[in-house]
Amino acid sequence: SQTIHQWPATLVQPVGSPLSLECTVEGTSNPNLYWYRQAAGRGLQLLFYSVGIGQISSEVPQNLSASRPQDRQFILSSKKLLLSDSGFYLCAWSSASGGAGETQYFGPGTRLLVL
Amino acid sequence: RKEVEQDPGPFNVPEGATVAFNCTYSNSASQSFFWYRQDCRKEPKLLMSVYSSGNEDGRFTAQLNRASQYISLLIRDSKLSDSATYLCVVREYGNKLVFGAGTILRVKS
Repeated sequence: SQTIHQWPATLVQPVGSPLSLECTVEGTSNPNLYWYRQAAGRGLQLLFYSVGIGQISSEVPQNLSASRPQDRQFILSSKKLLLSDSGFYLCAWSSASGGAGETQYFGPGTRLLVL
Repeated sequence: RKEVEQDPGPFNVPEGATVAFNCTYSNSASQSFFWYRQDCRKEPKLLMSVYSSGNEDGRFTAQLNRASQYISLLIRDSKLSDSATYLCVVREYGNKLVFGAGTILRVKS
């Protein structure tokens, strides 16, 4: 069966510091991968998605970036964190071969607090 | 106008009650529909897909009305463990999902 891992689970960082969050998927090949952010009391906002190694699409302008160095690895980064980057960051995967009924499965998330 | 709109609640119901959540979506070309459940400080988890003919999974029934662009979730015989936030999710095109902000359910003993 497929599993998705994220780390760290919780992170407290000062404003202006760099960020690197990692997500890995097991048990599937060539998945579609996604990064979402959920601000407190708000819905999920899609930040990036990737359909393959080195292929990244950005959904919203921001000071974050994403990379996919390996098939089942997805990394979210920032050079300088802002207070507004605080939130719950969720990685998700879906099958690349899925049809219209295919949905996404989430990792446990990273809770980021920027002070 | 939000792409997917839900009543944020909270819905406070006693154990054993029947409760219904509604959701509307703005894009008439939306292809697929889902309900997710999110427990406090946890990731969202797929509860069920929603089919045009309506579908049931135990105590949960989902309905879709494409003409009105309306989705519903009915929970019968509510349990304490049903307390969570329920997210209405729509696939508009490709692999992109659009999430509602969620409806909070609190089941009390």
